[in-house]
Amino acid sequence: GDSVTQMEGPVTLSEEAFLTINCTYTATGYPSLFWYVQYPGEGLQLLLKATKADDKGSNKGFEATYRKETTSFHLEKGSVQVSDSAVYFCALSDRRGSTLGRLYFGRGTQLTVWP
Amino acid sequence: GAGVSQSPSNKVTEKGKDVELRCDPISGHTALYWYRQRLGQGLEFLIYFQGNSAPDKSGLPSDRFSAERTGESVSTLTIQRTQQEDSAVYLCASSFAQTLSGNTIYFGEGSWLTVV
Repeated sequence: GDSVTQMEGPVTLSEEAFLTINCTYTATGYPSLFWYVQYPGEGLQLLLKATKADDKGSNKGFEATYRKETTSFHLEKGSVQVSDSAVYFCALSDRRGSTLGRLYFGRGTQLTVWP
Repeated sequence: GAGVSQSPSNKVTEKGKDVELRCDPISGHTALYWYRQRLGQGLEFLIYFQGNSAPDKSGLPSDRFSAERTGESVSTLTIQRTQQEDSAVYLCASSFAQTLSGNTIYFGEGSWLTVV
């Protein structure tokens, strides 16, 4: 079945460091891919998404490219800030008719950025 | 409302009691989802409502779990005879009707359930 595997946390970085959080997926067909973020005390928010191979999603300095050949959607940011401290979830959305729209999530990666 | 609203935000209940969790989706959103997040785990899909179609209940972990939705509005998730392993955050989300490209799904802040 469809599934998402993402890098185990926690990840601790200094401000302005480069961030990569790995995400790989297993899916039948061509899913849409997402990164969600959960800031302390808040609900999940969509960070970025990509709907087809080679698409790049970007938002708030974060980027992720849909790589069909490696079934990956790694999240990157060139220079993290303290305010980026949160839990990040990789997810895929099934495109098949019977389960259209259902989101499959990874376990989440806790990111802590120190000043 | 402006976002997905869930209540209660926190619930402590005794093992064996029934609980009801409520979700108010964003107005106009026809799709509604329930997920569960146990401590340190990812999100588990529970159930999905889409308009007047039969709901996708394939994620409900046991027959103690049920959910209803009235039209395209409020949904209630009911857990009967709660067990300690039911302790988790229950997240509700909504979106416009799903398309092949995927519409953005908006999450509520969750209902924290603790079974003691």
